[in-house]
Amino acid sequence: QITLKESGPTLVKPTQTLTLTCTFSGFSLSTSGVGVGWIRQPPGKALEWLALIYWDDDKRYRPSLRTRLAITKDTSKNQVVLTMTNMDPVDTGTYYCAHKRFGEVNWGQGTLVTVSS
Amino acid sequence: ETTLTQSPAFMSATPGDKVNISCKASRDTDDDMNWYQQKPGEAAIFIIREASTLVPGIPPRFSGSGYGTEFTLTINNIQSEDAAYYFCLQHDKFPYTFGQGTKLEIK
Repeated sequence: QITLKESGPTLVKPTQTLTLTCTFSGFSLSTSGVGVGWIRQPPGKALEWLALIYWDDDKRYRPSLRTRLAITKDTSKNQVVLTMTNMDPVDTGTYYCAHKRFGEVNWGQGTLVTVSS
Repeated sequence: ETTLTQSPAFMSATPGDKVNISCKASRDTDDDMNWYQQKPGEAAIFIIREASTLVPGIPPRFSGSGYGTEFTLTINNIQSEDAAYYFCLQHDKFPYTFGQGTKLEIK
């Protein structure tokens, strides 16, 4: 059974850097075709996919946020870390860690991040 | 970026009804379209993969169809527990994108 758990701060100040960690189980990020990514949902708005890292370290970023995002993996720890720089109140929302392997896409319960001074 | 236009945004149904939810893509996404169900405070449940394949464990009253730019989620014989948000996800081209969601109310 695949589980994904997001962790990180619940409150960040504007201009700060957000660091979120996804700790997963039930699959390996060294398996061909597997990817782990991050999705967010601002209050009252649609979900949006932020970044994705594949088993071979191929990385994808949402073009509009490319300069602010970095995604890394630690296969031995079953973790993926997302950093987002220069946080703004519009970045407030629920952040989800997601697993992807070909047509299968699942994500966790999410963690609420509020950006406020 | 591929835009997904999902409709309707809200619908109300009576137990036993059949409902259709539409998801239209701004470009060809082959069959790389999934459907999800989400209830408030809960994780999203994966119900349809690759446009028409029912995810194991999901009741067969759920079905999906479509290819390319037009997709439909159909729920037959609606049950009270089907009250939820439903949304589509295209995973054909990054950034993967989501529909705005449909809120299904059961009378």
